[in-house]
Order: sequence, then structure tokens, then C-alpha cells
Amino acid sequence: DTAVSQTPKYLVTQMGNDKSIKCEQNLGHDTMYWYKQDSKKFLKIMFSYNNKELIINETVPNRFSPKSPDKAHLNLHINSLELGDSAVYFCASSQVSEQFFGPGTRLTVL
Amino acid sequence: DAKTTQPPSMDCAEGRAANLPCNHSTISGNEYVYWYRQIHSQGPQYIIHGLKNNETNEMASLIITEDRKSSTLILPHATLRDTAVYYCIVRVAEGEPRNQWSTGNQFYFGTGTSLTVIP
Repeated sequence: DTAVSQTPKYLVTQMGNDKSIKCEQNLGHDTMYWYKQDSKKFLKIMFSYNNKELIINETVPNRFSPKSPDKAHLNLHINSLELGDSAVYFCASSQVSEQFFGPGTRLTVL
Repeated sequence: DAKTTQPPSMDCAEGRAANLPCNHSTISGNEYVYWYRQIHSQGPQYIIHGLKNNETNEMASLIITEDRKSSTLILPHATLRDTAVYYCIVRVAEGEPRNQWSTGNQFYFGTGTSLTVIP
């Protein structure tokens, strides 16, 4: 059974488009995250969502908006995509201290 | 700004112990040392974490110096599947006040150490 899953695995789109990445965890965790890993391999946290409390990383543009329909899902919606948004996006979840990561979504903006 | 310093790369012979160092001289009293690894094209995988005592689990051992300014991750018998980038991270525990972004203390994985296990 997959603990943290993401769809799609690959996403290629044009500049200016709006796209969403979905994330689901079946671990019963209360906290979910979105991370961005850029071409230099730096893995940076974007958002954390815990029991309906959204904690926003102030450096993330407001074109990025996380949406959590329920505790098991945290989707990432991106408006007006830019070239610099090209990266691998990882979803993760945690309960106490250990974070479980999804397989990643490779977003390419052309 | 990265709060940890790691060598960019290391090699280890298969079957031997891999010792991966990490410096975290500015670690705060309530910050833990976490280790994750990322195998090519996969999501990061949790390995181990500790506060000040040495820790061991089925994957690895974590040795933290008495002053907590550095630590070493030990993979006792490295295999080819251990080839990955290993990240040392310092952060507050999950139950701590969630002020890491409001204070600008972002959770960076840093550049990590690329470990290559050689047959």
C-alpha cells in the first residue's frame, strides 16, 4: 500500500496556465506538507497544513494555493505558471516527528 | 541559510561502514538532528533523529557529540542500495511551537552528502 501518493508524476504545461497537483496519504496523519525541489536540488518547504490550520511560507508566491478537502488530502493549485515554477514538488505527511514523502511530481513549464 | 554543513560527496566500499559527518554549530537547545536520504528520482526517506543521546535503529546509528555541534550518521554495512544523497537537518520537534516560518527559520534540507557505495 502506498503511504503518500501524488498525481500526476509528470506535468508539462505552458506558461500562464493553471494546474493542480493532488496528494493523498493513508497513514491517518494530522499534518501534511508541500515541498519544492529546484534544479539545484534544494528541498524547500512551501506549506504545512495541520487540522485545518494552514501555515504559509511567506516566500511562496500567492499564485500557489494549497487546498485540503479532508485530512487525508492536500492538493496544490498553481495559477499563472511561470518558467521558474519548473521543479519537482513533493508532498509529505507526519504525525509526530518522522515525515513520509510522496514520489514527487516533476513540473515542467515551457 | 543552511544550518548544517556536510561534505558534498563520499565513497564507501560495499560491506563497510559508511560514516557521514554533519556540522551544526548553531544548533539550539530545542532542535533535533534529523537524517533523511534521497535515492535518485524518489522522495526523501526518513532515517533517524536524535536530540543529544546516541540513537540506533534498524537502518543506522546516530552519534551526537556532547556539545551537540556535530553528529555522524553510521550505516554499519553499506550496500549498493544505500547509494543516495543524505541530508542532515536540524529543526524543532513536531510538537514545538510552529514559529519556524514566522521567525524566518525555514526548514532547509541543504545540499546533503552524495554517498556512492562501490562494489
